[in-house]
Amino acid sequence: DVKVTQSSRYLVKRTGEKVFLECVQDMDHENMFWYRQDPGLGLRLIYFSYDVKMKEKGDIPEGYSVSREKKERFSLILESASTNQTSMYLCASSLLDRDGSPLHFGNGTRLTVT
Amino acid sequence: GQQLNQSPQSMFIQEGEDVSMNCTSSSIFNTWLWYKQEPGEGPVLLIALYKAGELTSNGRLTAQFGITRKDSFLNISASIPSDVGIYFCAGISGGSNYKLTFGKGTLLTVNP
Repeated sequence: DVKVTQSSRYLVKRTGEKVFLECVQDMDHENMFWYRQDPGLGLRLIYFSYDVKMKEKGDIPEGYSVSREKKERFSLILESASTNQTSMYLCASSLLDRDGSPLHFGNGTRLTVT
Repeated sequence: GQQLNQSPQSMFIQEGEDVSMNCTSSSIFNTWLWYKQEPGEGPVLLIALYKAGELTSNGRLTAQFGITRKDSFLNISASIPSDVGIYFCAGISGGSNYKLTFGKGTLLTVNP
């Protein structure tokens, strides 16, 4: 079974802090993704990566950056956290597959910025 | 951009009842996915559909890829309390799986 592990289930940070959310997958997947999930807005793509050191902006990249130094690890960085970044953050991975390989999600990190 | 209309937004049913939910779009998709998310957890893949007209079952769950490639439905038969959660559809287009569009979800509540 695919396992996507997010390092923290809950985080509380203060406005202005630099925040790192870590994600590791164990299935040698090429693609990795970061989404945020908010009530009424559904899942929104922040960034994705299809290879080591490669990254692409999703629909809402402002205020975020990412890092993919190793194939199995994809980090989301909030350079200066703000209260409107309080959300559930979901990491996912998938094969690089022309047929459309399903995404497999981690359990999420609920971030609160005070 | 592409949008998926998922309905209903929520359902309240009695244990043992059958459930049906669907997603429609004005765009064509190559793959349809159905996920379930329980409170405080990440979405879990239930069923993946890759061909127009495909009908796939996973236990009490059955999903179909619409023949027009613009819709999909998910049925749950004989619901039980642990079916509670949010069900999401997702469509993948263009042969590139980072062009993935999610529906807003259907919240299912099952009364024992």
